Amino acid sequence: SAVISQKPSRDICQRGTSLTIQCQVDSQVTMMFWYRQQPGQSLTLIATANQGSEATYESGFVIDKFPISRPNLTFSTLTVSNMSPEDSSIYLCSAAQGSNTIYFGEGSWLTVV
Amino acid sequence: ILNVEQSPQSLHVQEGDSTNFTCSFPSSNFYALHWYRWETAKSPEALFVMTLNGDEKKKGRISATLNTKEGYSYLYIKGSQPEDSATYLCASFADSWGKLQFGAGTQVVVTP
Repeated sequence: SAVISQKPSRDICQRGTSLTIQCQVDSQVTMMFWYRQQPGQSLTLIATANQGSEATYESGFVIDKFPISRPNLTFSTLTVSNMSPEDSSIYLCSAAQGSNTIYFGEGSWLTVV
Repeated sequence: ILNVEQSPQSLHVQEGDSTNFTCSFPSSNFYALHWYRWETAKSPEALFVMTLNGDEKKKGRISATLNTKEGYSYLYIKGSQPEDSATYLCASFADSWGKLQFGAGTQVVVTP
């Protein structure tokens, strides 16, 4: 099994600023993903973080707003840029080792004021 | 159905009572259905991964069934306890490897 450490766990941010969330896995994983859950909404996939290349974004999400890095097989970052109150959400990192084995971080709760 | 949908959105259960709730998912291109239990400030905990039509899985007092032809799954909690209070998420695994489509969750609150 894999353990994912995600930080920060919680933050309050000023609108217009950017915040980077880090996700560290304790073992090498093939796939890493970033999700967002806005209040009262489903957990929604933002993008697949690809090691050594640009992330693959889902419809409605763009690189300028959510730049993602994945420099190696155990680490990824998600930046939420130029934040607005609508970006207040839980951001969740996940990793996959095989098609049926999915691990999650503990989530980052962001409030934009 | 195009998205994963869960109902009800929330559920209040008396301790000792049994309950169940539903996950509906797209039945085309189905690969697997995942159930997770998510408590605030913790990682979602995997409960079940179900792939076959008619599958039934059990973990303690929690069990789940799967109907891939009509695109739904039920999660059952028998004899609910306060520690069962959490949000239960289902997620459908369809076309892409490792990419899950989640429902909005059912929030279960068990009161003593």
